[in-house]
Amino acid sequence: AQSVAQPEDQVNVAEGNPLTVKCTYSVSGNPYLFWYVQYPNRGLQFLLKYITGDNLVKGSYGFEAEFNKSQTSFHLKKPSALVSDSALYFCAVRDGTGGFKTIFGAGTRLFVKA
Amino acid sequence: DVKVTQSSRYLVKRTGEKVFLECVQDMDHENMFWYRQDPGLGLRLIYFSYDVKMKEKGDIPEGYSVSREKKERFSLILESASTNQTSMYLCASSLSQGLIEQYFGPGTRLTVT
Repeated sequence: AQSVAQPEDQVNVAEGNPLTVKCTYSVSGNPYLFWYVQYPNRGLQFLLKYITGDNLVKGSYGFEAEFNKSQTSFHLKKPSALVSDSALYFCAVRDGTGGFKTIFGAGTRLFVKA
Repeated sequence: DVKVTQSSRYLVKRTGEKVFLECVQDMDHENMFWYRQDPGLGLRLIYFSYDVKMKEKGDIPEGYSVSREKKERFSLILESASTNQTSMYLCASSLSQGLIEQYFGPGTRLTVT
């Protein structure tokens, strides 16, 4: 069965510092991995995905994520946080062997302090 | 840009009422999804559909049904609303191949009293 874990309910970081939001996953086949962001009172927006290829994936708003197969992780990173990055971040996984079902993590709230 | 619209942003219904939540997407996506979002639980999949008239149960289908008569429209139905169905409901759509990420609507916050 597919599952996603986001071990931190909340991450606090100062503006200008690097940020990391953690995600680990479990899936039977090759994983399709995603990060989404939800700003207050808005729907979810797609940030980036890993399907195959380079383990470092770059996405919107300067975010990137690193796929680590041995650790079954897909952590979201940004070199320099902005106050406007404060939002709720969701990691998601889909089984790449043909199913359409996508499982989302519980979400991590990021607070960036000025 | 992909656009996913939901019929209401806020909805208040009484216990026992039948509730319809409508979702429309304009990008000819094959797949459509209904989730509910609750604090601390993330998004939980209620139902999804990979083609017209096709539907699959997600993780929490009890108390819900869906309808997909046209490719662009996916409806969620609460047959007899209960207070534990008070939640944020999110609709999403995606392609089956290629750009497979999901595009979400703004959500419907449903309160059942």
